[in-house]
Amino acid sequence: DAKTTQPTSMDCAEGRAANLPCNHSTISGNEYVYWYRQIHSQGPQYIIHGLKNNETNEMASLIITEDRKSSTLILPHATLRDTAVYYCIAPVYYNQGGKLIFGQGTELSVKP
Amino acid sequence: DAGVIQSPRHEVTEMGQEVTLRCKPISGHNSLFWYRQTMMRGLELLIYFNNNVPIDDSGMPEDRFSAKMPNASFSTLKIQPSEPRDSAVYFCASIKGRESGRNEQFFGPGTRLTVL
Repeated sequence: DAKTTQPTSMDCAEGRAANLPCNHSTISGNEYVYWYRQIHSQGPQYIIHGLKNNETNEMASLIITEDRKSSTLILPHATLRDTAVYYCIAPVYYNQGGKLIFGQGTELSVKP
Repeated sequence: DAGVIQSPRHEVTEMGQEVTLRCKPISGHNSLFWYRQTMMRGLELLIYFNNNVPIDDSGMPEDRFSAKMPNASFSTLKIQPSEPRDSAVYFCASIKGRESGRNEQFFGPGTRLTVL
């Protein structure tokens, strides 16, 4: 897996956009960027993934820089239920079983 | 769909006892993963299976740990003998297959193990 670097923690006001950065400067051409989150006491949950283009789904948007060395996960209107640890992962060999290596992630606190 | 099912949800045992954790992946998924999570070490991949075959067990801490997947709908993680340092939350996850770029792992609720 390419090494990823995330801030340890972030705060966000409820209703505002939460922008979570991730650096993956050693990412190679075939490595996707994945985001998962883990709400307290639950198993991790898939959010979104991308390779080169920006992606959007019902949960979030993913912005990947042109050089692919960094990305930003955007929660457009954060709610209290979005308080969780967010993991940015760049696994290799995604087509060989899907092995993921989780780092420490960013602990996002959404405050009223 | 019931999602990934794990049992038991909580297990308290004494040092030296055998512990067996169970997982039922989502029907139709052909890869299964076992993770362990502690405050100190975070979320660690222990082992994963593709089509019931163990592919990578490099994360298994030592010989006291073993995992099996006798069929596509069931897997076990066994610790024998258990030690207090094995106390953690153990997660099972499954994924549908090798779709290009797709790595949406579905996690179970976890088993919280406490070894006294």
